[in-house]
Amino acid sequence: EDQVTQSPEALRLQEGESSSLNCSYTVSGLRGLFWYRQDPGKGPEFLFTLYSAGEEKEKERLKATLTKKESFLHITAPKPEDSATYLCAVPNHSGGYQKVTFGTGTKLQVIP
Amino acid sequence: DGGITQSPKYLFRKEGQNVTLSCEQNLNHDAMYWYRQDPGQGLRLIYYSQIVNDFQKGDIAEGYSVSREKKESFPLTVTSAQKNPTAFYLCASRVNRGTGSLVDEQFFGPGTRLTVL
Repeated sequence: EDQVTQSPEALRLQEGESSSLNCSYTVSGLRGLFWYRQDPGKGPEFLFTLYSAGEEKEKERLKATLTKKESFLHITAPKPEDSATYLCAVPNHSGGYQKVTFGTGTKLQVIP
Repeated sequence: DGGITQSPKYLFRKEGQNVTLSCEQNLNHDAMYWYRQDPGQGLRLIYYSQIVNDFQKGDIAEGYSVSREKKESFPLTVTSAQKNPTAFYLCASRVNRGTGSLVDEQFFGPGTRLTVL
């Protein structure tokens, strides 16, 4: 069964203090990995899909990387508006059906 | 604008009532999903549908039912059999252009918060 684990559960950064969030997974044949940002009381906002190990994608201050066992979301010089919960998820195509397994998220707080 | 709409935003249910949550998408996606989110827990899959008139149970389907009569619509009914329905419900649609495809993206609606009175 696919499993997705995110760490840390919560992260508090000063504005401008760069850091990374981790998403580790166990899947039977990686087919991709999703990253999302979720603000309180709202639906998750799609950020990236990473399709294979070695791939990187960037969006503003965010950079996502993927290895065969984990993904990192690097946040460079964060601003208070980057405060949110960041979710990762892994698609599962077993049995011909397309399920997606989510981690529990990392709650990021950026302090001015 | 293309996207996913969910209604209502807030819903209150009395004990013993069935309620239906609406989800509509105009992204022309084949696959649609319903998730439940509780504080401190990840998103848990209730039901999903890969095509019209077909749907599959997810990990926590008991007490829920769905239909998929149109590509654009995937309503979720929370029945009285669901013992703890208070939660934030999220609908999603997904584009995945086949095995080996380089386009696989899942988008979410704004959510419906259901509270049992």
